This record gives sequence, C-alpha cells and structure tokens, in this order.
Amino acid sequence: AQSVTQLDSQVPVFEEAPVELRCNYSSSVSVYLFWYVQYPNQGLQLLLKYLSGSTLVESINGFEAEFNKSQTSFHLRKPSVHISDTAEYFCAVSTYNTDKLIFGTGTRLQVFP
Amino acid sequence: DGGITQSPKYLFRKEGQNVTLSCEQNLNHDAMYWYRQDPGQGLRLIYYSQIVNDFQKGDIAEGYSVSREKKESFPLTVTSAQKNPTAFYLCASRTESAQHFGDGTRLSIL
Repeated sequence: AQSVTQLDSQVPVFEEAPVELRCNYSSSVSVYLFWYVQYPNQGLQLLLKYLSGSTLVESINGFEAEFNKSQTSFHLRKPSVHISDTAEYFCAVSTYNTDKLIFGTGTRLQVFP
Repeated sequence: DGGITQSPKYLFRKEGQNVTLSCEQNLNHDAMYWYRQDPGQGLRLIYYSQIVNDFQKGDIAEGYSVSREKKESFPLTVTSAQKNPTAFYLCASRTESAQHFGDGTRLSIL
C-alpha cells in the first residue's frame, strides 16, 4: 500500500522569500506523484506531476518539484512567493496499476506582506 | 468550456434525510471519483467508477451510495446511515495522466 506524508501542516513565509513544502511517500512499486493547490472554498487544481522522465518538473506559475527516488521525496519549491500563492497544497501518489490517488494531509502556505 | 460541474455549492440536510450531490462532466472521461475532505485530514476516497454502469467502493463508502447510468454523470447520495456527513465533497474525473476536480459541495447538518 502507498502512503504520503506532508510533515508541515502550516508554512508561514514573507512575500518574495523562497519556500519549500515537503512531501515524502512510501510505496513498494513505482509511483506517479502529484501536487495540487486548493484556494478557499474551491476544488483542487493540478499544479504539477511526475510520471516518468526528467525528475525535475515545473508549473506555469514558478513552482517546481523534484522526484528523489532514493529519499522517496517530491518536495515543492518556489524561489520567490507572492501573496496570491497563499493556499493549501496537497501532495498525492498513485501507481501504474491503479488509478486511485492517495493524498497527504495538506500544507497551508501563508504568505505575509 | 469543458469541465466538471458540482451542484449545489452549499447543501443543508436535516437529521434522517438522504441528500444527493450532483457531479457532471463534459470532458468525455471514463473514470470518475468522489472524495470527502475534512479539516486537517486531506481527501479520502468514497466511491469511484471506471466505466458506465460500474463502480467500486473506496476507503470510506459506508453511509454513501452512487450510480453511473451515464458517462457524464456520477451522483453521490449521502444516506441517513452516514452519522457524520458534515464535510466538503469533491468530485473528480481522470485523463490518462491525472485527476481533475470540480469546485465541491459543502454539506452541513441542520
């Protein structure tokens, strides 16, 4: 069975500072990895995904994540955050033989001016 | 525009009532999903359907029921057997590579 751990429930940061949201997973088989973002009272939006190939994946709004198989991690980073990045971020994992997503408990990113 | 539409956005239920949450997609996706979201717990899978007229229980199916009579529709019924139904409910459908979500329905008990 797969599991996902997001170690930080809340991450406060000042605008224009860098940020890293941590995600670790557990699985006995190869995985696909995802980051989703959720704004208040809305659904989840896909931010980026790792399926295969390059271990560094990027989103259109400046976030990036790196798949590290040896450390079973998929941390999300942004070099300079904006107020508008304030939201909850969810890491999720699935495997090639199932279409079920397993979610972490989420990290609330709060960006202060 | 293609997308996933959930309705209503807010729903109130009296004790002992069944309520049905709507989920419609015009993306021509085969697979659809229902999740429950509670504060601090992430998302938990209730039911999923990979094809019309077929569905499977997820991790927390007790007190819920679904149907999949049409490809574009996957309604969720919260029955009176669900003792703690207050939550945010999210519907999703899947492309080949990822799941995409609707905007959710917030269910509260009167």
